[in-house]
Amino acid sequence: KAGVTQTPRYLIKTRGQQVTLSCSPISGHRSVSWYQQTPGQGLQFLFEYFSETQRNKGNFPGRFSGRQFSNSRSEMNVSTLELGDSALYLCASEGTPSYNEQFFGPGTRLTVL
Amino acid sequence: KNEVEQSPQNLTAQEGEFITINCSYSVGISALHWLQQHPGGGIVSLFMLSSGKKKHGRLIATINIQEKHSSLHITASHPRDSAVYICAVPPRGGGADGLTFGKGTHLIIQP
Repeated sequence: KAGVTQTPRYLIKTRGQQVTLSCSPISGHRSVSWYQQTPGQGLQFLFEYFSETQRNKGNFPGRFSGRQFSNSRSEMNVSTLELGDSALYLCASEGTPSYNEQFFGPGTRLTVL
Repeated sequence: KNEVEQSPQNLTAQEGEFITINCSYSVGISALHWLQQHPGGGIVSLFMLSSGKKKHGRLIATINIQEKHSSLHITASHPRDSAVYICAVPPRGGGADGLTFGKGTHLIIQP
């Protein structure tokens, strides 16, 4: 069974631009969660999608948004990038949103210049 | 919101040593996760436990729900165990916060 995949793996953007990151969950998994990891704040929950619906959202500004498609693939978008958005963005998938065992992708490392 | 504290933040040890990493949290939970993150970013789930003890190879995880505390032990440590170890707790009652993570313990095992 293929694992969680994320594209792209690395991204460099400049302030003010927008970015879209993609996550393909394990086949059959319908829950996708997104996390941001920075050296200062560690891992923080961004949002969670299940069956194309956003179930939960973390404490992030509205510049951070996401969606999930009918095939469970998920995208997250960050608009008007700021330097502080530089981070590793991880997604994780589960069959259903139980937080019993999330399978993490390799992450997308975003650098904002 | 649950506060999750890990200690130590950094740990350097010699190969073969017994390693202990601690995690405490502020609000009662049903289960706790231990995760491992290698350089490069990939995260692997090591354990999910809700009571007692679990063992997988040289890794042992324990939890005391009443004391709101969990420990991860590594026996006969090896340089390949060098990684960041992170504990995480799920939201209570399927709440809106997703997993809450500790800041991680950066472990280096020297040969």
